[in-house]
Amino acid sequence: GESVGLHLPTLSVQEGDNSIINCAYSNSASDYFIWYKQESGKGPQFIIDIRSNMDKRQGQRVTVLLNKTVKHLSLQIAATQPGDSAVYFCAETSNSGGSNYKLTFGKGTLLTVNP
Amino acid sequence: GAVVSQHPSRVICKSGTSVKIECRSLDFQATTMFWYRQFPKQSLMLMATSNEGSKATYEQGVEKDKFLINHASLTLSTLTVTSAHPEDSSFYICSASVLEMADEQFFGPGTRLTVL
Repeated sequence: GESVGLHLPTLSVQEGDNSIINCAYSNSASDYFIWYKQESGKGPQFIIDIRSNMDKRQGQRVTVLLNKTVKHLSLQIAATQPGDSAVYFCAETSNSGGSNYKLTFGKGTLLTVNP
Repeated sequence: GAVVSQHPSRVICKSGTSVKIECRSLDFQATTMFWYRQFPKQSLMLMATSNEGSKATYEQGVEKDKFLINHASLTLSTLTVTSAHPEDSSFYICSASVLEMADEQFFGPGTRLTVL
């Protein structure tokens, strides 16, 4: 079946550096993509989203880039802080029929920020 | 807004017993709720989708008789793990969405189930 995957399972950066987390997806029908942050023992926390009619969206310290040609999604975190240490998941939604949208999660990238 | 809670946050039970996990949307009415399972160092895997007042739709490989889902109201869905075994030990996470924003899901904090 179609899936969402990640290039790098772990990423270690120095505090203050910029972080880039990548994600590849295979469902060409995907039209909505989300990045989540998950800290240990907690549920996913929404970071930023982007729809397929856009190629870039910025939030506070975060930017999501979407390249539909190569089915690639990235999350950029500026001036990474120790509090950014967590597992980051990309997810894509597809309509499973009717009004239900199913989320498919990527494998996740563990981001470690060194002080 | 859009807060989802789960209860309990963690539970330990003996093998063979049943455990019920509640998922509540606190400040909105959820037309659809989703249940996920997450094993250590793995991603979230969708188990089932439930719409209020109708039977849940289970993903392939998920036993509907083992994982009973009830979505009796627009603010509450329950997942009951029946005859739990150690391999059912996992992190169970629910999410909820509303019809007007059907592709956005709001996640609960998760429930850690440990079966001895």
